[in-house]
Amino acid sequence: DTEVTQTPKHLVMGMTNKKSLKCEQHMGHRAMYWYKQKAKKPPELMFVYSYEKLSINESVPSRFSPECPNSSLLNLHLHALQPEDSALYLCASSQGWGSGNTEAFFGQGTRLTVV
Amino acid sequence: TQLLEQSPQFLSIQEGENLTVYCNSSSVFSSLQWYRQEPGEGPVLLVTVVTGGEVKKLKRLTFQFGDARKDSSLHITAAQPGDTGLYLCAGAPPYGGATNKLIFGTGTLLAVQP
Repeated sequence: DTEVTQTPKHLVMGMTNKKSLKCEQHMGHRAMYWYKQKAKKPPELMFVYSYEKLSINESVPSRFSPECPNSSLLNLHLHALQPEDSALYLCASSQGWGSGNTEAFFGQGTRLTVV
Repeated sequence: TQLLEQSPQFLSIQEGENLTVYCNSSSVFSSLQWYRQEPGEGPVLLVTVVTGGEVKKLKRLTFQFGDARKDSSLHITAAQPGDTGLYLCAGAPPYGGATNKLIFGTGTLLAVQP
């Protein structure tokens, strides 16, 4: 199984809603990532989890809250988002973090629209 | 700050033409990866190059890592409509550096017309 599975594929939410994005991988990868991507632009790193611990928070606003319940799962909790937060949110995993094993496997992404 | 500049930014060509995409930096990377992203999908890893001067081939795609490990190129021979997508290079910082984050290039959007 070389897949990273993200749900939902599409999400429309109001600015007062609370929603969560989910990501799952069963490749035994120890590093998991959240990226935000605007149209035709490269992905921008948001968070990195290594061995289920938050390693990097790229100064992301607190309305985005990541969670890593176990080594296979990664969630991104969303609350009080702004229209400018509309984007494709990508989850990725890699075998390691800081060990040279940085090849990333990406999910299909969640297309988020904030109205 | 490590930056990876890709050129060209956009490329629209006819089926059967050849093309080259460049990925340049002033920083050294321990390895460099190339991804292709189709509309509505996540990026898919195409190749990783590790050794300076390394050349890897994947069917009609040829990847090269610069001797100094600061730049890379992707050459596509006889492009097909299925090659359409956003091509991203991504560099892994040298081991033991201040950060282990992948540095993504600025992207090249390729459209191959039938």
